[in-house]
Amino acid sequence: QQKVQQSPESLIVPEGAMTSLNCTFSDSASQYFAWYRQHSGKAPKALMSIFSNGEKEEGRFTIHLNKASLHFSLHIRDSQPSDSALYLCAVSDSGTYQRFGTGTKLQVVP
Amino acid sequence: AQTIHQWPVAEIKAVGSPLSLGCTIKGKSSPNLYWYWQATGGTLQQLFYSITVGQVESVVQLNLSASRPKDDQFILSTEKLLLSHSGFYLCAWRGTGANSDYTFGSGTRLLVI
Repeated sequence: QQKVQQSPESLIVPEGAMTSLNCTFSDSASQYFAWYRQHSGKAPKALMSIFSNGEKEEGRFTIHLNKASLHFSLHIRDSQPSDSALYLCAVSDSGTYQRFGTGTKLQVVP
Repeated sequence: AQTIHQWPVAEIKAVGSPLSLGCTIKGKSSPNLYWYWQATGGTLQQLFYSITVGQVESVVQLNLSASRPKDDQFILSTEKLLLSHSGFYLCAWRGTGANSDYTFGSGTRLLVI
């Protein structure tokens, strides 16, 4: 069964810093890799996704996937206090099943 | 634009009582639909998925059932609630294209007492 693990569990970074979040998975046949952001008491919202090896950048956010290493990451440039939230990584097969990690709680302090 | 609506927003129910949660997607034909559950402080866990009307697949057995009576509607239900059913229930949809993302509804918060 697919295992998805995130690190670190929690992170405190100063405003303006680069934040790096990590996610490992166990099924090399996975096809969809995503990061979600969830504010307290709210539904998760998709931030970025990637389907093939490499990197994708959208604004301050960059997602990087290395299927051979069973690892993908999210990097947040110039972190802001509004970025403080729970970050969830998720891995999916062909679209029927999406498995989530346990989350990284990010706090950006002014 | 596609919209996803979940109801009710929150419920407080007694152990042993029935439950029905709903989800409607507008503006998207034949979406893939999903139910997720998140215990307080817990991991988001997929419960069911449906790729077409009348067809629902279970992912985790939690004494819950799901149905898709219409193309744009997904229902989660049980006849007898347990304390362990408390949590945050989320409906999501995904397009059928290979590069489609998942979009979540705003969720239903359930407390079983």
